[in-house]
Amino acid sequence: QVQLQQSGPGLVKPSQTLSVTCVISGDSVSSSSVAWNWIRQAPSRGLEWLGRTYYRSVTSYWTYDYALSVKGRISITADTSKNQFSLQLNSVTPEDTAIYYCARAGERVFDYWGQGTLMTVSS
Amino acid sequence: SYVLTQPPSVSAAPGHTATITCGGNNVGSKSLHWFQKRPGQAPVLIIYNNNGRPSGIPERFSASKSRDTATLTITRVEAGDEADYFCQVWDSSSDHHVFGPGTKVTVL
Repeated sequence: QVQLQQSGPGLVKPSQTLSVTCVISGDSVSSSSVAWNWIRQAPSRGLEWLGRTYYRSVTSYWTYDYALSVKGRISITADTSKNQFSLQLNSVTPEDTAIYYCARAGERVFDYWGQGTLMTVSS
Repeated sequence: SYVLTQPPSVSAAPGHTATITCGGNNVGSKSLHWFQKRPGQAPVLIIYNNNGRPSGIPERFSASKSRDTATLTITRVEAGDEADYFCQVWDSSSDHHVFGPGTKVTVL
């Protein structure tokens, strides 16, 4: 059974960097058949896909795709030694206050989700 | 970028049927998925690849599609079905996942 465990809630000051980590159990971050995603939900808003990373053993290459809404501010990294992946969002504003979710996508379907991490941007 | 549309809210009495639509240009050609989102909980996949139902999801949840509209149907609505429902597709032209804005289902 795949489980995704996210790091705890946090408070970030405007203009600083928001970081959330997702630890994977029951699968591997370097699995060639899935992708690892970050999705957020701001208060009273819908779900917003932020980006993903995935590894393909055929090419020995990691791929990163980012949503246009956060491109230039976002970075997703994978740590194979800890079997986890992380989100960093730079230059945050109060509009980045949201619950951040990590999720696995198998065949482009979000089948497993983390529990969510509330990140608040406030001075 | 690709856009999905959903009605903001739908209501149904217990035992009745709730119908939620998801519109998008030629959405019938895409694999579409539905998620249930309760407050304070992570989203739950309830329909995948247009009409597949994951293990544990009741048969009361079903889905269909036409060329530009997908529909999620909840029959014999229960109080526990009260939640937000989101449709989602993969947009191959942008290599992006896209969510609909969500529909709040209220059980009367």
